[in-house]
Amino acid sequence: NAGVMQNPRHLVRRRGQEARLRCSPMKGHSHVYWYRQLPEEGLKFMVYLQKENIIDESGMPKERFSAEFPKEGPSILRIQQVVRGDSAAYFCASLDRVAGELFFGEGSRLTVL
Amino acid sequence: KQEVTQIPAALSVPEGENLVLNCSFTDSAIYNLQWFRQDPGKGLTSLLLIQSSQREQTSGRLNASLDKSSGRSTLYIAASQPGDSATYLCAVTLNTGGFKTIFGAGTRLFVKA
Repeated sequence: NAGVMQNPRHLVRRRGQEARLRCSPMKGHSHVYWYRQLPEEGLKFMVYLQKENIIDESGMPKERFSAEFPKEGPSILRIQQVVRGDSAAYFCASLDRVAGELFFGEGSRLTVL
Repeated sequence: KQEVTQIPAALSVPEGENLVLNCSFTDSAIYNLQWFRQDPGKGLTSLLLIQSSQREQTSGRLNASLDKSSGRSTLYIAASQPGDSATYLCAVTLNTGGFKTIFGAGTRLFVKA
């Protein structure tokens, strides 16, 4: 049973470009979370998705950021027109709903030049 | 609004010492509490999960306690080793129609050989 898979592990973008980060949850998990971790800071909740539904996006910036979790395929976190302040590690986690336990991927590290 | 605080922010101890990391949260209506470990540049590894009905969990040299009424949890590490050096994150999960996990900023631990 593979863990939570994130790709790419590292992504470099120039200001104004788009970044797409992908996350495949653990097998059998249908709930996915995205967190952002700025250098030397803790994890900040961004969005919580179930298949084809956004449950809670209270941590998402209102502009340029979007997330989806389609019926088929991985969850996607999309950042349009990236700025230097978007440079961070973006972590995805999937949820074991029985125990309420989160399992994390290795993260995607975005660098904006 | 649930807030999670971890004290101390950083800790440096000699090898072999027993140590305690502290976590406090403002809203006692939690579903569970998890302790994670994060190594530099890596993802999060779950160490211990305590359900709201439990008082403690143990795994090897680690013991975590939970006191919901006072909004506190402690992670006890016995006989610390240099390999324990990492950032330790406390996270509380709420169930408000959907699960949401809030993280503390972490305690950065350095164990000197």
